[in-house]
Amino acid sequence: DTGVSQDPRHKITKRGQNVTFRCDPISEHNRLYWYRQTLGQGPEFLTYFQNEAQLEKSRLLSDRFSAERPKGSFSTLEIQRTEQGDSAMYLCASSSSYPLDRSQGSGANVLTFGAGSRLTVL
Amino acid sequence: QKEVEQDPGPLSVPEGAIVSLNCTYSNSAFQYFMWYRQYSRKGPELLMYTYSSGNKEDGRFTAQVDKSSKYISLFIRDSQPSDSATYLCAMRLSDSWGKLQFGAGTQVVVTP
Repeated sequence: DTGVSQDPRHKITKRGQNVTFRCDPISEHNRLYWYRQTLGQGPEFLTYFQNEAQLEKSRLLSDRFSAERPKGSFSTLEIQRTEQGDSAMYLCASSSSYPLDRSQGSGANVLTFGAGSRLTVL
Repeated sequence: QKEVEQDPGPLSVPEGAIVSLNCTYSNSAFQYFMWYRQYSRKGPELLMYTYSSGNKEDGRFTAQVDKSSKYISLFIRDSQPSDSATYLCAMRLSDSWGKLQFGAGTQVVVTP
C-alpha cells in the first residue's frame, strides 16, 4: 500500500470552469476526509465519509462543492463554477475507525494525509 | 480570534539545537492533540499524537500537553537540516473523529 493517493497533483483552470479531484485512501481505512489549505494557513476541514456515507460537512463547503464516495472506496471532490478564491491545496486523508494505539483510549482515530491537489483558478 | 493560535515564524536554529514549538487554544473540550510536519508542497505527516494532558516522547521528539493552561508544545532535540519544515499543531474533540482544528503552522529552518 502506497498511502493516500490524490490526482491530479496540480490543476490550473479558468474562472467558471468545473474541476474534479480524486482521492484513493489507504485500502483498509473506512473513513475519508477532505480538507482545504491556503498559503500560510493550516488545513481546514471540509467534509468526511464513513464508508459511503457523508457524515459531516463544513459550512465552508458551499453549494458549488460536492463530494462523493461511491461504494466506500475512492472519493471525488467536484467544484463547479470555480472562483479565484477557490485557489488552494485540497488535501485528502483517511483513517480507520479502530484505534491505532489502544493505550490511548477509545477514539484514537489517526489521519493519514495525501500529498494534496493544488488548484489554481485564473 | 482563531480557536488554535500558533506563531508562524520562521524559527531559525543552528544544527544540533533544541527546537521549541507551541500552540495555544481556546476550546477546553479538546481532548486529542497532534503535531504534524509538512514539507513544501507535500501533505502533512503525523509526528506525535497525545490524549489529554501529559508528556509523550518518541526519539528526538517530545510532546507536552497542559490542558489547564490550554497550551501544547513540541520539542525537537539535536535538530537536523532535514527537520526544516512547517510544523502544524492540531486538536479535536473526543467525538469529532476527523474534524481537526489546525494551527497556522510554524516554519522551522535548521541551518548547518
